[in-house]
Amino acid sequence: DGGITQSPKYLFRKEGQNVTLSCEQNLNHDAMYWYRQDPGQGLRLIYYSQIVNDFQKGDIAEGYSVSREKKESFPLTVTSAQKNPTAFYLCASRGGGMPHEQYFGPGTRLTVT
Amino acid sequence: AQSVTQPDIHITVSEGASLELRCNYSYGATPYLFWYVQSPGQGLQLLLKYFSGDTLVQGIKGFEAEFKRSQSSFNLRKPSVHWSDAAEYFCAVGTFPGLRFYFGTGTSLTVIP
Repeated sequence: DGGITQSPKYLFRKEGQNVTLSCEQNLNHDAMYWYRQDPGQGLRLIYYSQIVNDFQKGDIAEGYSVSREKKESFPLTVTSAQKNPTAFYLCASRGGGMPHEQYFGPGTRLTVT
Repeated sequence: AQSVTQPDIHITVSEGASLELRCNYSYGATPYLFWYVQSPGQGLQLLLKYFSGDTLVQGIKGFEAEFKRSQSSFNLRKPSVHWSDAAEYFCAVGTFPGLRFYFGTGTSLTVIP
């Protein structure tokens, strides 16, 4: 089955450590996205990528980094510079055609203490 | 600037009653509009989308939405709610030709027996 995989489902880290969240898709989609979700704030865009080896900052990119070395993969690193990293993180991809809806992964809940 | 407003943070309805969730958007061009549903701790699932044509669109799970350009609205409706519809609902607008999507802050639906 085609879809988006995010791992792990739950992630725990100590403050000051970098942590990388995995996102893999087998939908052959060019565009991929990372969102952060906090209660009552909806989805906020962290980074997005249109093609391999290219990505753009979203609205809340500070303290995060990404790479896009393969079409299928778009990992997100939460660095120690992110002041409040505890959140639910969602990865999405978008294919071609119109209208171009996003497909979402199951999410990773990151807790930093 | 693009934005999406969901004025109702939380709605409670009785099972079998009708439902309407409100969504207003701000976008200078013809919008691509979406409704997604999210169960607790899960990713987002697309309910329906509007691109052009008929302003009343049908989606999955018995949901429909009506695009009203004059009111900048895209309200979601269901004639008879089931207990399994309890979830968080997000309205989103997609830009063209860009890749950005803007989400509302969500409406949490509780269904009482």
